[in-house]
Order: sequence, then structure tokens, then C-alpha cells
Amino acid sequence: TQLLEQSPQFLSIQEGENLTVYCNSSSVFSSLQWYRQEPGEGPVLLVTVVTGGEVKKLKRLTFQFGDARKDSSLHITAAQPGDTGLYLCAGIRGGKLIFGQGTELSVKP
Amino acid sequence: DAGITQSPRYKITETGRQVTLMCHQTWSHSYMFWYRQDLGHGLRLIYYSAAADITDKGEVPDGYVVSRSKTENFPLTLESATRSQTSVYFCASSESHWGDEQFFGPGTRLTVL
Repeated sequence: TQLLEQSPQFLSIQEGENLTVYCNSSSVFSSLQWYRQEPGEGPVLLVTVVTGGEVKKLKRLTFQFGDARKDSSLHITAAQPGDTGLYLCAGIRGGKLIFGQGTELSVKP
Repeated sequence: DAGITQSPRYKITETGRQVTLMCHQTWSHSYMFWYRQDLGHGLRLIYYSAAADITDKGEVPDGYVVSRSKTENFPLTLESATRSQTSVYFCASSESHWGDEQFFGPGTRLTVL
């Protein structure tokens, strides 16, 4: 059983559509990170959220940390083909970084 | 080259053989990590190191050995490779603690026949 459950696992959309990726857990995390990974490369950090209820924006990407610090979401507005990739959430618990299983996003032109 | 590098990028080996994956970082980061990535499992921590000569187990350490005699290097050895160790392996480093950003290498794709 994954400590961090991401949904959906796969998402295929058309350019211009909006989407939301969810990262859920029954456990509390001191902080949550979101990474993006392109094929053949390692993950790259997008954002870290620390405070319950926190919202961070990175251009067309909006990240939210749940009030209880058990869940997070990533919303992309007007998706572009360049957004294609694997999105991973990761939380710090028990002194270690735990990753979700990832959401594979494909944005078609 | 500056950053974090892994070698080899691709490796095919046979069951029972020993294989070592190399990881080198140029930032003098204290923490280094080894993960494996398998479909449906995301990234799972194998071993990590908080400093030279300090290593500890992660979530899936069985069948793996690590060492860290120098801050910049963190090799991962599969003592007797098994088919279940076929995976993509990522090395990462961070400056000072778990909450810091982790910088990942490009990965090593290992196939055990």
C-alpha cells in the first residue's frame, strides 16, 4: 500500500484543457514536494509546500497543500504539450522522503 | 561536469553477477540517496547517506550494498543480481537535510537477464 496515493495514474488531454492531479494520504506530512520527470531524465523539483492550506503558483501551475497537511493537489491551466511528463508528489515522514507512484500526463497538440 | 552524474547509463547483466552503479556529485552536498523506479511504484528509497562514512537503509535495501568513503561519491553494488532488480536506478543529493530539494542524476537503466 502506497503511503501517498496519486490520482489519476494516467491522464491524456488536448492542448488548452485544464487538469488536476491529486496526492492523498491518511498520514500527516511536515511538507510536500512536487517533482516533474521527463523521459530519460531524473525528477526535477517544482515546488515545496509547508503550511496547511498553502497555495503556490508557478506560471500556469497551482499547488495546494491541504489544511490538515495530509493531501495536496496540482492544477494546470491551459495545458501545453511541453507539460507532458511524469508528476510525482513526495512527503517527508519519519525523517525520510516518501514518493507517490506518479501521474503520467500526456498533452496532445 | 558540474552537477550529479551516474554511470553507466545502461547496463545488462546476468543473474548472480555483481554489478556496481556509480554516482558522483560536484556540489559537496552532505546527503546522497539511491532510489529505484518501477512502473506503478514511483521512487523507492534503497539507501541514503548523511555524510561520508555514514549510511543507512531505506525502504528496499535487501540485495544492495553502499559505501561512501568520499563526500562526492556514492556507489551502489548489487552483490548477486536477480531479475527482480531490473529497474531504473536514480542517485540524488541534497544540501543538508531531507526537507531540502533533492537533485537527481539522469538514471541508470539496469536489466538483469
